[in-house]
Amino acid sequence: DQQVKQNSPSLSVQEGRISILNCDYTNSMFDYFLWYKKYPAEGPTFLISISSIKDKNEDGRFTVFLNKSAKHLSLHIVPSQPGDSAVYFCAASATSSSNTGKLIFGQGTTLQVKP
Amino acid sequence: EAGVVQSPRYKIIEKKQPVAFWCNPISGHNTLYWYRQNLGQGPELLIRYENEEAVDDSQLPKDRFSAERLKGVDSTLKIQPAELGDSAVYLCASSFGGGFYNEQFFGPGTRLTVL
Repeated sequence: DQQVKQNSPSLSVQEGRISILNCDYTNSMFDYFLWYKKYPAEGPTFLISISSIKDKNEDGRFTVFLNKSAKHLSLHIVPSQPGDSAVYFCAASATSSSNTGKLIFGQGTTLQVKP
Repeated sequence: EAGVVQSPRYKIIEKKQPVAFWCNPISGHNTLYWYRQNLGQGPELLIRYENEEAVDDSQLPKDRFSAERLKGVDSTLKIQPAELGDSAVYLCASSFGGGFYNEQFFGPGTRLTVL
């Protein structure tokens, strides 16, 4: 049972344009969401997060939007740069559970930003 | 500051052989996680330690997998005997505290190939 889904395995955009990565979840108990970025041969690194009390969180070129009614979140990167080319993982956590640090990851989306 | 250190980076073994992975977390991080990442999937939590105590090992296949963190610092994950389906990247992560708001820092992982 895949509780966090990233239905697009890959995405290709032109440098300078917007990249939009999507993520859907099924567990209504999830109330904290994170995006991680992963380069080849490296571990994932934290990028940005959002609590369910918000619908938007922005950090520089990265913005995460949360639509709780649709159980959907998205990561916007504007403008996209070639260095953003990586695998992006969406993750979710249920903070009210006994395991608040447990993250459930999606399958990942490979972003390629072309110069 | 040194990041999470894992060794070996790569391991190739034949099925039914034992294998062990080592992780040294970031200094001062009391929470340590072991994840398994199958090809094309996101990381899945195997076990989480708070200091020396395994507080969540519900996803660890206990018939063949074992882990220890004897002094609350570095940790070892063992598989005995390995099966073909164990081929994956094994990621270690650490955080200061185990709550959802405590950023998890990942190591580069150990890529295991079982032949």
